Amino acid sequence: DGGITQSPKYLFRKEGQNVTLSCEQNLNHDAMYWYRQDPGQGLRLIYYSQIVNDFQKGDIAEGYSVSREKKESFPLTVTSAQKNPTAFYLCASSRSRQANYGYTFGSGTRLTVV
Amino acid sequence: KQEVTQIPAALSVPEGENLVLNCSFTDSAIYNLQWFRQDPGKGLTSLLLIQSSQREQTSGRLNASLDKSSGRSTLYIAASQPGDSATYLCAEMDSSYKLIFGSGTRLLVRP
Repeated sequence: DGGITQSPKYLFRKEGQNVTLSCEQNLNHDAMYWYRQDPGQGLRLIYYSQIVNDFQKGDIAEGYSVSREKKESFPLTVTSAQKNPTAFYLCASSRSRQANYGYTFGSGTRLTVV
Repeated sequence: KQEVTQIPAALSVPEGENLVLNCSFTDSAIYNLQWFRQDPGKGLTSLLLIQSSQREQTSGRLNASLDKSSGRSTLYIAASQPGDSATYLCAEMDSSYKLIFGSGTRLLVRP
């Protein structure tokens, strides 16, 4: 079955560490997105990519980095510059620039700073 | 900056009741409006997508409407069941094809 796989499900980070969250899709979607969700809040866009080897900052990109070397993969690195990284991170994909097509979401990664 | 607002933030109803969730948006040039369901600790499941040229979409007991002129969308759930308990999120797609989310309505359907 096609879908989006996020790993790991839970991740613990020590102060000053960089950690990378994985997002893989087999839906043949061109566009991929990373969102952050804090308790009781909606999703905020971190980074997005409409095509391989290209990506743009979202509303809260500071302290995060991404790469898009393959169509299927869009990993997110949470750097030590992100001062409050504890949150639920969601990856999504869609057909690029098509308003009649919805997003598909992964099951999320919960990151906790210890 | 475009904003999406959902009211109420939380709702508790007895089983069998019909209910309406509200979503308002400031972007007059949305491409579509999407409704999602989120169970605790899980990802989002797409429920309905209404394109900007449409006024409503239906799936089973769910009906979503879109009024671009007033900047509002509603999600109607008929004959609610305890299994409908979840957080419901609406999101509008802006002219850059990005989704902008509301904060969600947390629904509890009591048996």
